[in-house]
Amino acid sequence: EDKVVQSPLSLVVHEGDTVTLNCSYEVTNFRSLLWYKQEKKAPTFLFMLTSSGIEKKSGRLSSILDKKELFSILNITATQTGDSAIYLCAVGYGGATNKLIFGTGTLLAVQP
Amino acid sequence: EPEVTQTPSHQVTQMGQEVILRCVPISNHLYFYWYRQILGQKVEFLVSFYNNEISEKSEIFDDQFSVERPDGSNFTLKIRSTKLEDSAMYFCASSPDRLGNEQYFGPGTRLTVT
Repeated sequence: EDKVVQSPLSLVVHEGDTVTLNCSYEVTNFRSLLWYKQEKKAPTFLFMLTSSGIEKKSGRLSSILDKKELFSILNITATQTGDSAIYLCAVGYGGATNKLIFGTGTLLAVQP
Repeated sequence: EPEVTQTPSHQVTQMGQEVILRCVPISNHLYFYWYRQILGQKVEFLVSFYNNEISEKSEIFDDQFSVERPDGSNFTLKIRSTKLEDSAMYFCASSPDRLGNEQYFGPGTRLTVT
């Protein structure tokens, strides 16, 4: 069965801390791995990774994919209260189109 | 910055009624998707759409569901006869390429079936 597993389920940190969120997957015909930030409603696109070992960075956020070990991590440095959200990992796989299978998400709470 | 929009933001309907959820994808995108998220559960794929036809659909997407791109800008999801278990947040997404590597999501429509 295709699946995406995220850990931890939730995390509470203080502003300025660095956090690492984990995503492991088992899917057939892997195409890409995407990270989203979900605050109130819509998942907001953060990163898309297709190649192993190449880090994607955007400001304080970075992510890397390991296709051999079937996992990805999302790092957030110098966390701010505005980083509080659910972080979703989704894996694109399958046939004619890149349908996404999502993990349950990691709920991150950044306290002042 | 272009974004996916959805209307209405919240729809309440009675069991057995038909509902149509509307989406306007990003204008130069070619691939369109519907996902749903039942409260407290994962986001689930429903259907993908390209070139005016369904590309793939999940087991959830049964004969009660249909999609349409009626006028070149809107993308709709119709549920013919709603059930209580259809209550969920429905997200529309669009992507510029076939691989759908970057899928951009709309704000969602919360459907409540009573």
